[in-house]
Amino acid sequence: QSALTQPASVSGSPGQSITISCTGTNSDIGAYSHVSWYQQHPGKVPKLLIYGVNIRPSGVSNRFSASKSGHTASLTISGLQTEDEADYYCSSYTSSTTLVFGGGTKLTVL
Amino acid sequence: EVQLLESGGGLVEPGGSLRLSCTASGITFGSHAMSWVRQAPGKGLEWVSTISVGGGSTYYADSVKGRFTISSDNSKNMLFLQMNSLRAEDTAVYHCAMRYCAGCTYWGYFDFWGQGSLVTVSS
Repeated sequence: QSALTQPASVSGSPGQSITISCTGTNSDIGAYSHVSWYQQHPGKVPKLLIYGVNIRPSGVSNRFSASKSGHTASLTISGLQTEDEADYYCSSYTSSTTLVFGGGTKLTVL
Repeated sequence: EVQLLESGGGLVEPGGSLRLSCTASGITFGSHAMSWVRQAPGKGLEWVSTISVGGGSTYYADSVKGRFTISSDNSKNMLFLQMNSLRAEDTAVYHCAMRYCAGCTYWGYFDFWGQGSLVTVSS
């Protein structure tokens, strides 16, 4: 039940686009479409950004998009804004009927 | 409005026990799977456990299996996490979380979170 692998940090300038990768295995991301992404600002609870690989919940900006290829999922944020600076986590269902999160990626908006 | 409120955290010695509670409002409690997710200080999210709709099935992370027990009391709109044989590495803020989707079979998306209850395991 190892954590999914995310880059520790990414950065971008306002208006740019960035992509955060999330690498798993054929027992989690590679096997299921139950991939989700969360945004967490300091001192706040996580917010669901994406579920079902690429579905945005109501109210989430369309600047957030996601995809999956093989056992790697990706979150793309376009038109970066200062308020996007936060930690981002991916998660996936696993073949062991458990849930695994990524280690988290700190996004800095320069 | 859905609200989740955890309680029961605190300081406990290694090997000790603690019971967390989560009170839910704004939902028909027994219609949704409920989960616990923890976050160690300065660290990432870790899924801990889930109880299915109706409570018929429970799921645990390997790191807590055999030590933690998830349960619910639908009549009181409450979720519990009994934590035994606690270790220093169990120190974290424990969040009650749920997917607000009556009838959905998959439980692993969390669109509502409680603020969390801090559990500190230390001598």
